[in-house]
Amino acid sequence: DAGVTQSPTHLIKTRGQQVTLRCSPKSGHDTVSWYQQALGQGPQFIFQYYEEEERQRGNFPDRFSGHQFPNYSSELNVNALLLGDSALYLCASSLDLASQETQYFGPGTRLLVL
Amino acid sequence: GNSVTQMEGPVTLSEEAFLTINCTYTATGYPSLFWYVQYPGEGLQLLLKATKADDKGSNKGFEATYRKETTSFHLEKGSVQVSDSAVYFCALSTGGGNKLTFGTGTQLKVEL
Repeated sequence: DAGVTQSPTHLIKTRGQQVTLRCSPKSGHDTVSWYQQALGQGPQFIFQYYEEEERQRGNFPDRFSGHQFPNYSSELNVNALLLGDSALYLCASSLDLASQETQYFGPGTRLLVL
Repeated sequence: GNSVTQMEGPVTLSEEAFLTINCTYTATGYPSLFWYVQYPGEGLQLLLKATKADDKGSNKGFEATYRKETTSFHLEKGSVQVSDSAVYFCALSTGGGNKLTFGTGTQLKVEL
């Protein structure tokens, strides 16, 4: 049973560019959340998708957007990249939006903005 | 709003020493509490959790008890190993949706 997978593992972009990160949830999971982890910090919640809709959002600007597909996989898009967007981006999946189900994390995509 | 405060690291211990990593929280409602571990170059792994007051979560020799009266969820292990070297994150979630609020993490280094 595959866990949460993310692609790519590493990415280098320049300021002003756009980036798309991808996530496939753990088998059977229908909810996907995205987190940003800056170096030396704890992960910060970006947003969560359920039934192909954004259901919760953290304190991130509109440059951060996402999508969930019918197979529950998800994308995170960041426009107009800033140096401060350099971080590890983590995807987490869980089952059932309304419960306290455990979230399972992927290995992350490390983004470097130059 | 919700917040989690962890003791600052790094924490350096000798193998077989006793470990305590302090975690306190502020939350609206009745949170579920978690400890996640992050090994070098990897994502987060759930170590243990507790969903209500006085519950004790345990896994791989690690334990933490949900203390509502002190709003704490301290992580303990009786005898650490070199393989326990990692960054440990305390986290909480409230209500539906499973949104997690994390502490800043505590790096643990275990030496022979």
